[in-house]
Amino acid sequence: EIVLTQSPATLSLSPGERATLSCRASQSVSSYLAWYQQKPGQAPRLLIYDASNRATGIPARFSGSGSGTDFTLTISSLEPEDFAVYYCQQRSNWPETFGQGTKLEIK
Amino acid sequence: QVQLVQSGAEVKKPGASVKVSCKASGYTFTSYDINWVRQATGQGLEWMGWMNPNSGNTGYAQKFQGRVTMTRNTSISTAYMELSSLRSEDTAVYYCARVDSSGYYTDYWGQGTLVTVSS
Repeated sequence: EIVLTQSPATLSLSPGERATLSCRASQSVSSYLAWYQQKPGQAPRLLIYDASNRATGIPARFSGSGSGTDFTLTISSLEPEDFAVYYCQQRSNWPETFGQGTKLEIK
Repeated sequence: QVQLVQSGAEVKKPGASVKVSCKASGYTFTSYDINWVRQATGQGLEWMGWMNPNSGNTGYAQKFQGRVTMTRNTSISTAYMELSSLRSEDTAVYYCARVDSSGYYTDYWGQGTLVTVSS
């Protein structure tokens, strides 16, 4: 199965700063990659699909890029509600797999 | 609006089975696949399998083959996930989630069901 490795494990930033989260696949997933946000006690929420498309209702400060094995989620200017855990997910190969997550915390 | 409402928390003994339900509303239940994903406390997300509510076809992650069964009742727009031979490592929050129209990503999630396995 495809292994997704996210980095860093924890990212400490302040509101207003730019966040860059990475997801690396053990083999090519083309553009079949999504990003999810999860807050404590809540279900994950789809942010980005097909590597770079924002899901319905997702603010423009969230953007995704990459293809093949290297992907990036960028949050251009952090809002207080953006501090959460972010997961990448691949749907290129069976079984679908998730990364281990990046925790974005307030500095 | 699309909603997936799951059944309540369960406490089970090792070796028992648990059946979690997921009632869909706000869309045509048979038109979208359902995924099941679990999350142990403080851990990441783990995909368990999928079901096509129209045909009843399923696909399970190898890790759960032989222990998991996903079914549905289309008359009440409800999906079910049953996990047998429970062990302590199965303690987790179990989520159902709708697969979007592309067939690739999950766009709506249930609220999660905590299953605790303890003697």
